[in-house]
Amino acid sequence: QKEVEQDPGPLSVPEGAIVSLNCTYSNSAFQYFMWYRQYSRKGPELLMYTYSSGNKEDGRFTAQVDKSSKYISLFIRDSQPSDSATYLCALMDSSYKLIFGSGTRLLVRP
Amino acid sequence: KAGVTQTPRYLIKTRGQQVTLSCSPISGHRSVSWYQQTPGQGLQFLFEYFSETQRNKGNFPGRFSGRQFSNSRSEMNVSTLELGDSALYLCASSEGAMGNQPQHFGDGTRLSIL
Repeated sequence: QKEVEQDPGPLSVPEGAIVSLNCTYSNSAFQYFMWYRQYSRKGPELLMYTYSSGNKEDGRFTAQVDKSSKYISLFIRDSQPSDSATYLCALMDSSYKLIFGSGTRLLVRP
Repeated sequence: KAGVTQTPRYLIKTRGQQVTLSCSPISGHRSVSWYQQTPGQGLQFLFEYFSETQRNKGNFPGRFSGRQFSNSRSEMNVSTLELGDSALYLCASSEGAMGNQPQHFGDGTRLSIL
């Protein structure tokens, strides 16, 4: 079993929809949680960084962490075609290494 | 502020050769981490350097090595290249004193082994 599980998709939604992306993890020692967006032929771009359970909002993005369920989510409101990319969750363990999910491909249809 | 810069962007090598990849972190960042990204295995951690010292290491063979210079720039070397080393190699930098700070990535070096 992988330490971090993420549905690879693809997830196809119409423009303006609310998108929900999720990861589950098995190691309760993970302390820091990140979401990255990666466009084709580019490196991952940091979207959200959080270390506590609860919600964190930044513009159209909301990151949610539930440590008791070992479940993290990223919500995208009013999705745009430019949001079409691969979204990666990344968790930091006690040695400060980043462990990545496999990524979810998102397609926002105009 | 300039982002993380990786050179070269593309490389083609043959089996048995060695290769050196370069990474310039964001100005002021002292930690540099390296990752390998492949379609099958995703993003996997190689190693992390802080103040010219390897602070952390992933589960890769000794053919993969790195170093960091006093200006925080880093290089990664792969010796005796194998077909399976074909991948996108990504460098990430963070402010670094505390290892829990967010990492910012460059656009990577795409290495192809023939």
